[in-house]
Amino acid sequence: DQQVKQNSPSLSVQEGRISILNCDYTNSMFDYFLWYKKYPAEGPTFLISISSIKDKNEDGRFTVFLNKSAKHLSLHIVPSQPGDSAVYFCAASDYGGSQGNLIFGKGTKLSVKP
Amino acid sequence: NAGVTQTPKFQVLKTGQSMTLQCAQDMNHNSMYWYRQDPGMGLRLIYYSASEGTTDKGEVPNGYNVSRLNKREFSLRLESAAPSQTSVYFCASSEATGPNTEAFFGQGTRLTVV
Repeated sequence: DQQVKQNSPSLSVQEGRISILNCDYTNSMFDYFLWYKKYPAEGPTFLISISSIKDKNEDGRFTVFLNKSAKHLSLHIVPSQPGDSAVYFCAASDYGGSQGNLIFGKGTKLSVKP
Repeated sequence: NAGVTQTPKFQVLKTGQSMTLQCAQDMNHNSMYWYRQDPGMGLRLIYYSASEGTTDKGEVPNGYNVSRLNKREFSLRLESAAPSQTSVYFCASSEATGPNTEAFFGQGTRLTVV
C-alpha cells in the first residue's frame, strides 16, 4: 500500500523545455515534502522541500507546487538541462515525525535530450 | 569534505554469511539512517537513530540489526544473509529529526547475496 506514488517511471524532455514531475500521496498526516535527485552509482541528494503551510517553493530553476486538497505535488524544472537527467524521488513526512517517517516514492527517471 | 562515508562499496556474500556495513558522518549530525533501494522501488527505511544511544525500526527491519557506536558512526549488520537482502544500501544523516532537516546520503553499498 503505497503512501507516496510517482506514477510515471520515466519522462523525456527536450533541453530548454519544462520538466514536470508528479507525486501523489494518500496520508493526510503528511505535511512536509521533499524532492531528491539521484545519479547512477551515487547517493540521493536533496533538491528542494515544501511545508504544507505553503503551496509553492522556488529555488532557482526548481519549483515545487503543493495541492493539499488533491494530495498532489509537482516539481517543475525550467529550463531543463542535460545535467538534470537523473532519477527524482518524492518523499513525505508527518510533522514532528522523525526522518524515520520519511516515505519515498519509487522515483521518476528524467532524461533531458540536447 | 567527506560528508557520509559508507564501506564497503561492493560486497558479495553467500547465503547464511554475516557482515556489517559501516557508515560514518563528519557533519556532527544527530540523526542517522539506513535505507535499502531495490529495482523499481523507492528508498525503504530499515532502521534509524534519532540521537546517539537510540535506535528504532523503520519499514523493513527484519533480518537486520544496527549499532549507533557513537555520534559519528552507525553500522548495519546482517546476521545471516539471504538472497532477498540483495540490494543497494544507503546510509544517511541529518542534523535532527523532524521537518526542515533534509538528510544527506552516502554513495551506497551494493550487496549481492548468492
